[in-house]
Amino acid sequence: DGGITQSPKYLFRKEGQNVTLSCEQNLNHDAMYWYRQDPGQGLRLIYYSQIVNDFQKGDIAEGYSVSREKKESFPLTVTSAQKNPTAFYLCASSILAGLSYEQYFGPGTRLTVT
Amino acid sequence: AQKVTQAQTEISVVEKEDVTLDCVYETRDTTYYLFWYKQPPSGELVFLIRRNSFDEQNEISGRYSWNFQKSTSSFNFTITASQVVDSAVYFCALNGGWGNKLVFGAGTILRVKS
Repeated sequence: DGGITQSPKYLFRKEGQNVTLSCEQNLNHDAMYWYRQDPGQGLRLIYYSQIVNDFQKGDIAEGYSVSREKKESFPLTVTSAQKNPTAFYLCASSILAGLSYEQYFGPGTRLTVT
Repeated sequence: AQKVTQAQTEISVVEKEDVTLDCVYETRDTTYYLFWYKQPPSGELVFLIRRNSFDEQNEISGRYSWNFQKSTSSFNFTITASQVVDSAVYFCALNGGWGNKLVFGAGTILRVKS
């Protein structure tokens, strides 16, 4: 079954710790994305990658970092510099980066930082 | 700047009622794409439809239908004979920029009661 895997589903961390969220896809998609969702709000783009070894900042990249060393993997690190990291994080991918390509989403990781 | 407005925060209906979810967008691009996604309680966003700015034909898929009107910058979604399984958060999204950056509305929570 092709799809996007995010693990773990729930993650708890202490304030001041960095944490890495996993995102793996076996759809052979070139483009991958990370979004953040807060209650009552739409999704906001953190980072996106159109191709391996390349990525761009989205609208709310501060306090986050990513890497894209393999086509199928796009991990997101939430650093201690992120002021309000508790949120629901969604990873997505699309065949290519472009206007017309729909994005497919993973099941999400709910991060709680206390 | 691009913007998507979903003015209905939450809608409650009784099973078998028809319901329309509103979506109004803003963009200066002449070529753009509009999307609807469903987010069930599990959290994963499910792609429902894509419509490009040059195609104003309405679309019907089973109990779902979409009405795209460029004159009012709206892309409304109607569920006919709603069912409990339709209960979810529905997002309208716009892609009019380079890099496949989706701009999401805040979402509409639909509750269908039996």
